[in-house]
Amino acid sequence: GIQVEQSPPDLILQEGANSTLRCNFSDSVNNLQWFHQNPWGQLINLFYIPSGTKQNGRLSATTVATERYSLLYISSSQTTDSGVYFCAAYNQAGTALIFGKGTTLSVSS
Amino acid sequence: DGGITQSPKYLFRKEGQNVTLSCEQNLNHDAMYWYRQDPGQGLRLIYYSQIVNDFQKGDIAEGYSVSREKKESFPLTVTSAQKNPTAFYLCASSLSRDRGLYQPQHFGDGTRLSIL
Repeated sequence: GIQVEQSPPDLILQEGANSTLRCNFSDSVNNLQWFHQNPWGQLINLFYIPSGTKQNGRLSATTVATERYSLLYISSSQTTDSGVYFCAAYNQAGTALIFGKGTTLSVSS
Repeated sequence: DGGITQSPKYLFRKEGQNVTLSCEQNLNHDAMYWYRQDPGQGLRLIYYSQIVNDFQKGDIAEGYSVSREKKESFPLTVTSAQKNPTAFYLCASSLSRDRGLYQPQHFGDGTRLSIL
């Protein structure tokens, strides 16, 4: 089945820094989502981005489906950006999201 | 406000006991899902349902059971056969596929299950 790999596994930033998180997937995908899991465990939808580029405030995402990767950009990071970022893609049957292991981001002031 | 409500937030299970986690959505979504998350890991699928009165096993269904009697509700029972139930459980829902594109999943706030 499809495999999803994220890098880096951990990232430590000073407030105000920019960062790029990467998601590679092993096969063509029909749908790709980025999530932020906050320290309380809530999984918050960031982007639904099967292809192309989207922006939402300080966050943006790009998916290049033909090359099987997606990137999440965080600009001017804030302490509230801390948490775990997951990307996930639907399996071939379209019945479930396959998650990567996440990137743990720590932003200090 | 539309959303997905999971209850309880915290649950403790005694040995040999079955427990049921509730998941309700008012988004009018057809499909619902249960995932399990272990510390430091991503989510893994337990069960999913694409329509009322129908559900399918996911990757780690052993020791769990579900029902889908109403569109809005998809409860998960953790049975005594599940030997390592301590985890964070997340419920999700989505619309059906639209013009060939799978729709985004939306998640509840989760239930943390621990063994006494």
